[in-house]
Amino acid sequence: GNSVTQMEGPVTLSEEAFLTINCTYTATGYPSLFWYVQYPGEGLQLLLKATKADDKGSNKGFEATYRKETTSFHLEKGSVQVSDSAVYFCALSSRQAGTALIFGKGTTLSVSS
Amino acid sequence: NAGVTQTPKFQVLKTGQSMTLQCAQDMNHEYMSWYRQDPGMGLRLIHYSVGAGITDQGEVPNGYNVSRSTTEDFPLRLLSAAPSQTSVYFCASSYSKEGAVGYGYTFGSGTRLTVV
Repeated sequence: GNSVTQMEGPVTLSEEAFLTINCTYTATGYPSLFWYVQYPGEGLQLLLKATKADDKGSNKGFEATYRKETTSFHLEKGSVQVSDSAVYFCALSSRQAGTALIFGKGTTLSVSS
Repeated sequence: NAGVTQTPKFQVLKTGQSMTLQCAQDMNHEYMSWYRQDPGMGLRLIHYSVGAGITDQGEVPNGYNVSRSTTEDFPLRLLSAAPSQTSVYFCASSYSKEGAVGYGYTFGSGTRLTVV
């Protein structure tokens, strides 16, 4: 079946450090891949997305590349800020499988100044 | 502002009480869904609907009921609240169940429910 696996947190970084949050997936067909972010006390917001292999999604300095050969969609940012502290969710959807969005368990990022 | 509106934001219930969590969207989305979020469990799908009059179960449907009489509204009913239903509940909507490839879902801001 379809599934998403994220690295477990929490991830604790100092401001301006480099961020990587790993995400791998299992899916039938050619899924679309997403990163969502949840700031404290809020709902989930779409951060970036990629719909086919080798696509790179980017937003607010975050990037992730759809790697079909390694079934991965790792989230990266070159220089994190305190305001990036949040929970990050990797997710996939598969039109071929006709499934609802499937989420990873989330990774908590804490950035200190 | 267009989006998904959930009410209430906070609720405390006693075991055995019933209540309805409200969800409304004004984007003319066909697909609506309810998730619960628990520490270490991520988001788990409770129920979903692909259009007015059509609902189906997700991963964790027991103890919850839904109906979809209009495109805009998708209420979630707790029939007899239990402490295991203490959680944060999110409503999400989209053009389709698969997120209309590349579009994803729009989420409400959540309802934090405590059952004592």
